[in-house]
Amino acid sequence: SSELTQDPAVSVALGQTVRITCQGDSLRSYYTNWHQQKPGQAPVLVIYGKDNRPSGIPDRFSGSSSGNTATLTITGAQAEDEADYYCNSRDSSGNLRVFGGGTKLTVL
Amino acid sequence: QVQLQESGPRLLKPSETLSLTCSVSGYSIRSGYFWGWIRQPPGKGLEWIGSIYHSGSTHYNPSLESRVTISVDTSKNQFSLKLSSVTAADTAVYYCAREEFDFWGQGTLVTVSS
Repeated sequence: SSELTQDPAVSVALGQTVRITCQGDSLRSYYTNWHQQKPGQAPVLVIYGKDNRPSGIPDRFSGSSSGNTATLTITGAQAEDEADYYCNSRDSSGNLRVFGGGTKLTVL
Repeated sequence: QVQLQESGPRLLKPSETLSLTCSVSGYSIRSGYFWGWIRQPPGKGLEWIGSIYHSGSTHYNPSLESRVTISVDTSKNQFSLKLSSVTAADTAVYYCAREEFDFWGQGTLVTVSS
Protein backbone atom coordinates (compact mmCIF):
# COMPACT_ATOMS: atom_id res chain seq x y z
CA SER A 1 0.00 0.00 0.00
CA SER A 2 1.21 3.54 -0.70
CA GLU A 3 -1.16 5.37 1.62
CA LEU A 4 -0.42 7.04 4.93
CA THR A 5 -3.40 8.00 7.09
CA GLN A 6 -3.46 10.82 9.64
CA ASP A 7 -6.21 12.32 11.76
CA PRO A 8 -7.22 15.65 10.16
CA ALA A 9 -7.12 17.63 13.39
CA VAL A 10 -5.88 17.33 16.96
CA SER A 11 -5.92 19.80 19.84
CA VAL A 12 -3.86 20.05 23.02
CA ALA A 13 -3.85 22.32 26.04
CA LEU A 14 -0.80 24.50 26.45
CA GLY A 15 1.97 22.60 28.23
CA GLN A 16 0.33 19.19 27.82
CA THR A 17 1.47 16.20 25.78
CA VAL A 18 0.01 15.44 22.37
CA ARG A 19 0.47 12.47 20.09
CA ILE A 20 -0.05 12.63 16.35
CA THR A 21 -0.30 9.31 14.54
CA CYS A 22 0.34 8.07 11.02
CA GLN A 23 -0.80 4.67 9.79
CA GLY A 24 0.26 2.70 6.75
CA ASP A 25 1.34 -0.78 5.76
CA SER A 26 4.75 0.43 4.54
CA LEU A 27 5.55 1.74 8.01
CA ARG A 28 6.19 -1.83 9.07
CA SER A 29 9.31 -1.72 6.87
CA TYR A 30 10.43 1.91 6.63
CA TYR A 31 11.09 4.80 8.98
CA THR A 32 8.77 7.77 9.13
CA ASN A 33 9.82 11.39 8.84
CA TRP A 34 7.72 14.14 10.38
CA HIS A 35 7.39 17.67 9.05
CA GLN A 36 5.94 20.81 10.61
CA GLN A 37 4.38 23.40 8.34
CA LYS A 38 3.18 26.82 9.41
CA PRO A 39 0.97 28.99 7.17
CA GLY A 40 2.78 30.41 4.18
CA GLN A 41 5.99 28.55 4.96
CA ALA A 42 7.80 25.55 3.57
CA PRO A 43 7.68 22.36 5.64
CA VAL A 44 10.39 21.84 8.24
CA LEU A 45 11.73 18.41 9.15
CA VAL A 46 11.27 17.79 12.89
CA ILE A 47 11.87 14.02 13.19
CA TYR A 48 13.71 11.61 10.91
CA GLY A 49 14.80 8.02 11.08
CA LYS A 50 14.12 6.01 14.20
CA ASP A 51 13.82 9.08 16.48
CA ASN A 52 16.25 11.77 15.42
CA ARG A 53 15.88 15.53 15.59
CA PRO A 54 17.64 17.87 13.16
CA SER A 55 19.73 20.61 14.67
CA GLY A 56 17.57 23.34 16.15
CA ILE A 57 14.47 21.21 16.79
CA PRO A 58 13.47 21.28 20.48
CA ASP A 59 13.75 18.05 22.42
CA ARG A 60 10.04 18.14 23.24
CA PHE A 61 9.56 16.56 19.79
CA SER A 62 10.06 12.80 19.63
CA GLY A 63 9.10 9.93 17.35
CA SER A 64 8.23 6.30 17.79
CA SER A 65 6.79 3.45 15.79
CA SER A 66 4.98 0.18 16.39
CA GLY A 67 3.67 -2.10 13.69
CA ASN A 68 1.96 -0.04 11.02
CA THR A 69 1.70 3.11 13.16
CA ALA A 70 4.19 5.91 13.65
CA THR A 71 3.69 8.54 16.33
CA LEU A 72 4.98 12.06 16.75
CA THR A 73 4.89 13.13 20.40
CA ILE A 74 5.16 16.71 21.58
CA THR A 75 5.81 16.76 25.32
CA GLY A 76 4.81 20.11 26.80
CA ALA A 77 3.25 21.68 23.72
CA GLN A 78 3.95 25.37 23.18
CA ALA A 79 1.91 27.97 21.36
CA GLU A 80 4.49 28.04 18.57
CA ASP A 81 3.88 24.33 17.92
CA GLU A 82 0.48 25.13 16.41
CA ALA A 83 0.91 24.02 12.81
CA ASP A 84 0.15 21.31 10.29
CA TYR A 85 2.14 18.12 10.72
CA TYR A 86 2.84 15.67 7.90
CA CYS A 87 4.31 12.21 8.08
CA ASN A 88 6.21 10.80 5.14
CA SER A 89 7.84 7.51 4.34
CA ARG A 90 8.40 5.16 1.45
CA ASP A 91 5.90 2.96 -0.32
CA SER A 92 6.14 -0.81 -0.16
CA SER A 93 8.63 -0.92 -3.06
CA GLY A 94 10.99 1.37 -1.18
CA ASN A 95 11.54 3.56 -4.22
CA LEU A 96 8.64 5.97 -4.00
CA ARG A 97 7.90 8.55 -1.33
CA VAL A 98 4.49 9.19 0.14
CA PHE A 99 3.05 11.83 2.47
CA GLY A 100 0.20 11.51 4.91
CA GLY A 101 -2.75 13.84 4.54
CA GLY A 102 -1.61 16.04 7.40
CA THR A 103 -2.83 16.82 10.92
CA LYS A 104 -3.74 20.33 12.00
CA LEU A 105 -2.57 20.84 15.58
CA THR A 106 -4.32 23.47 17.67
CA VAL A 107 -2.76 24.54 20.97
CA LEU A 108 -5.46 25.75 23.32
CA GLN B 1 24.21 25.32 4.52
CA VAL B 2 22.29 23.68 1.69
CA GLN B 3 19.92 26.04 -0.08
CA LEU B 4 17.40 25.35 -2.84
CA GLN B 5 15.57 27.86 -5.00
CA GLU B 6 12.74 27.18 -7.44
CA SER B 7 12.35 29.26 -10.58
CA GLY B 8 10.07 29.25 -13.59
CA PRO B 9 6.82 30.64 -15.01
CA ARG B 10 4.07 31.12 -12.44
CA LEU B 11 1.04 31.44 -14.71
CA LEU B 12 0.07 28.85 -17.28
CA LYS B 13 -2.90 28.17 -19.50
CA PRO B 14 -4.63 24.78 -19.58
CA SER B 15 -2.84 22.23 -21.80
CA GLU B 16 0.52 23.99 -21.48
CA THR B 17 3.64 22.41 -19.97
CA LEU B 18 4.82 23.46 -16.51
CA SER B 19 8.60 23.88 -16.33
CA LEU B 20 10.44 24.59 -13.09
CA THR B 21 14.11 24.52 -12.18
CA CYS B 22 15.63 24.04 -8.75
CA SER B 23 19.04 25.59 -8.18
CA VAL B 24 21.06 24.03 -5.38
CA SER B 25 23.83 25.81 -3.49
CA GLY B 26 26.00 24.69 -0.60
CA TYR B 27 26.08 21.07 -1.76
CA SER B 28 27.05 19.35 -4.99
CA ILE B 29 24.27 17.23 -6.48
CA ARG B 30 27.06 14.90 -7.69
CA SER B 31 27.89 14.09 -4.06
CA GLY B 32 24.75 12.03 -3.61
CA TYR B 33 21.12 11.93 -2.47
CA PHE B 34 18.00 11.90 -4.55
CA TRP B 35 16.52 15.35 -5.27
CA GLY B 36 12.77 15.72 -5.46
CA TRP B 37 9.71 17.76 -6.28
CA ILE B 38 6.67 18.06 -4.02
CA ARG B 39 3.53 20.11 -4.56
CA GLN B 40 0.74 21.46 -2.39
CA PRO B 41 -2.57 22.68 -3.84
CA PRO B 42 -4.01 25.69 -2.00
CA GLY B 43 -5.44 24.60 1.35
CA LYS B 44 -4.49 20.96 0.81
CA GLY B 45 -1.74 18.53 1.75
CA LEU B 46 1.66 17.67 0.35
CA GLU B 47 1.99 15.42 -2.71
CA TRP B 48 5.29 13.85 -3.75
CA ILE B 49 5.81 14.23 -7.51
CA GLY B 50 9.09 12.45 -8.08
CA SER B 51 12.84 12.51 -7.65
CA ILE B 52 16.15 12.12 -9.47
CA TYR B 53 19.71 10.99 -8.68
CA HIS B 54 22.77 12.66 -10.18
CA SER B 55 23.14 9.66 -12.48
CA GLY B 56 19.75 10.47 -13.98
CA SER B 57 17.87 7.63 -12.29
CA THR B 58 14.31 8.74 -11.57
CA HIS B 59 11.28 7.73 -9.54
CA TYR B 60 7.82 9.14 -10.20
CA ASN B 61 4.47 9.22 -8.43
CA PRO B 62 2.35 6.72 -10.38
CA SER B 63 -0.58 9.14 -10.41
CA LEU B 64 1.50 11.71 -12.35
CA GLU B 65 4.02 9.53 -14.14
CA SER B 66 2.44 9.83 -17.59
CA ARG B 67 2.88 13.63 -17.52
CA VAL B 68 6.07 14.13 -15.50
CA THR B 69 9.71 14.36 -16.50
CA ILE B 70 12.48 15.21 -14.03
CA SER B 71 15.97 15.90 -15.30
CA VAL B 72 19.30 16.93 -13.80
CA ASP B 73 22.13 19.21 -14.93
CA THR B 74 25.08 18.51 -12.68
CA SER B 75 27.23 21.14 -14.42
CA LYS B 76 24.81 23.82 -13.18
CA ASN B 77 23.95 21.99 -9.95
CA GLN B 78 20.29 22.12 -10.92
CA PHE B 79 17.41 19.75 -11.47
CA SER B 80 14.18 20.42 -13.31
CA LEU B 81 10.53 19.42 -13.46
CA LYS B 82 8.29 19.28 -16.51
CA LEU B 83 4.58 18.53 -16.16
CA SER B 84 2.65 18.36 -19.40
CA SER B 85 -1.00 19.03 -20.26
CA VAL B 86 -1.69 21.02 -17.10
CA THR B 87 -5.19 21.76 -15.83
CA ALA B 88 -6.57 23.86 -13.00
CA ALA B 89 -6.02 20.85 -10.74
CA ASP B 90 -2.27 21.35 -11.14
CA THR B 91 -2.45 24.77 -9.48
CA ALA B 92 -0.23 24.43 -6.42
CA VAL B 93 2.85 25.57 -4.58
CA TYR B 94 5.71 23.55 -6.02
CA TYR B 95 8.65 22.76 -3.75
CA CYS B 96 12.00 21.22 -4.50
CA ALA B 97 13.85 19.39 -1.74
CA ARG B 98 16.73 17.11 -0.99
CA GLU B 99 14.96 13.83 -0.63
CA GLU B 100 15.84 13.23 2.95
CA PHE B 101 13.53 16.28 3.18
CA ASP B 102 16.01 18.04 5.43
CA PHE B 103 16.37 20.95 3.01
CA TRP B 104 13.51 22.54 1.06
CA GLY B 105 13.14 25.43 -1.31
CA GLN B 106 10.78 28.22 -0.33
CA GLY B 107 8.22 27.04 -2.89
CA THR B 108 6.68 28.76 -5.87
CA LEU B 109 2.96 29.10 -6.59
CA VAL B 110 2.08 28.01 -10.09
CA THR B 111 -1.41 28.92 -11.25
CA VAL B 112 -3.18 27.33 -14.20
CA SER B 113 -5.95 29.52 -15.56
CA SER B 114 -7.43 30.40 -18.90
